[in-house]
Amino acid sequence: KAGVTQTPRYLIKTRGQQVTLSCSPISGHRSVSWYQQTPGQGLQFLFEYFSETQRNKGNFPGRFSGRQFSNSRSEMNVSTLELGDSALYLCASSSTAETQYFGPGTRLLVL
Amino acid sequence: AQKVTQAQTEISVVEKEDVTLDCVYETRDTTYYLFWYKQPPSGELVFLIRRNSFDEQNEISGRYSWNFQKSTSSFNFTITASQVVDSAVYFCALSEDKGYSTLTFGKGTMLLVSP
Repeated sequence: KAGVTQTPRYLIKTRGQQVTLSCSPISGHRSVSWYQQTPGQGLQFLFEYFSETQRNKGNFPGRFSGRQFSNSRSEMNVSTLELGDSALYLCASSSTAETQYFGPGTRLLVL
Repeated sequence: AQKVTQAQTEISVVEKEDVTLDCVYETRDTTYYLFWYKQPPSGELVFLIRRNSFDEQNEISGRYSWNFQKSTSSFNFTITASQVVDSAVYFCALSEDKGYSTLTFGKGTMLLVSP
């Protein structure tokens, strides 16, 4: 089975812009979660989707949003980018509420 | 609230040494899951093991072994005869049984294995 894929792998944006990241889960997995990783805060949970519904959300401002499509693919969007949004964004998928398998991540740099 | 503490920020060993990575967790739930992930420089988190709170049996997989002790809320990870390829950041994580997956991660331990 193919693993979790994320696109793009690298992204450079400027402050104030918006960005959309994409995640394709492992085939058959219906749950997709997003995490932000920064040197200062470590790995932090953003949100989790299951069957196109957001089931859980972390403590992030409303500028961070996401959605899931009927084929389980997910996107996350960050509007009005700030320098502090520079991070590695990791997507994970799981078939049940158990083990999450992660993709390679998208490295976002905000200038 | 749940919390995972990895007190060791960085560990350096020489190849073939044994090394133990510590993980202490806090949760009010009686049912929960514990995980270890490995993050090589490429960035992808690689799943190593999952343990549920009712299974305190230690596990061994090749050079890797895990010691789960509920009495001390610890889930430690030992690499026997370390190799240079083991160099990575290792994360311990906790997930509570709420019907969905949300991982709370520790800050990670960077392991450097030199030849």
